Amino acid sequence: DTEVTQTPKHLVMGMTNKKSLKCEQHMGHRAMYWYKQKAKKPPELMFVYSYEKLSINESVPSRFSPECPNSSLLNLHLHALQPEDSALYLCASSQVRRGAVSEQYFGPGTRLTVT
Amino acid sequence: AQSVAQPEDQVNVAEGNPLTVKCTYSVSGNPYLFWYVQYPNRGLQFLLKYITGDNLVKGSYGFEAEFNKSQTSFHLKKPSALVSDSALYFCAVIQNRDDKIIFGKGTRLHILP
Repeated sequence: DTEVTQTPKHLVMGMTNKKSLKCEQHMGHRAMYWYKQKAKKPPELMFVYSYEKLSINESVPSRFSPECPNSSLLNLHLHALQPEDSALYLCASSQVRRGAVSEQYFGPGTRLTVT
Repeated sequence: AQSVAQPEDQVNVAEGNPLTVKCTYSVSGNPYLFWYVQYPNRGLQFLLKYITGDNLVKGSYGFEAEFNKSQTSFHLKKPSALVSDSALYFCAVIQNRDDKIIFGKGTRLHILP
């Protein structure tokens, strides 16, 4: 199974709402990532988890809160978002191997619209 | 600082013709290079990677890429384009094994029937 799944596919939320994005993989990967992608632009890294611990936070505003409950799941909790946060949010995972570089496997994304 | 450049916003190729999507990189050490493809409303799909070894790397769907250290390039190629190859292609680089991946801006490939 080389699939990363994300739910929901689409999400519309108001600026006062609280919502969560979910990501799951069963490939045994111990690194998981959140990216934000605007239309026709490359993905921008937001967070990296390695062995369920947050290893990189790319100075993301606190209205985005990541969580890694176990090695297969990654959540992104959203609160008090702004319209400019509307984007495609991508989850990815990869193996962690000492002395090696692994490719990332991406989910299909959640299309988020903030109204 | 590491960076990757994709000089073409769009590449148009007739179906059946060979295609090339260009990528150049800048790192201070040995690069780890990747190509990803993104179809509309989908996530990125891994195509191929160069870590070490043979400069010609073969990947998914008949794509290949050639690592050229002297020209700091990693161009993506395919001998015969298909209409279904039309998509957005991203080149990416990692400088050190624990560094984050840096994506190029992307090149839209349009295969004309």
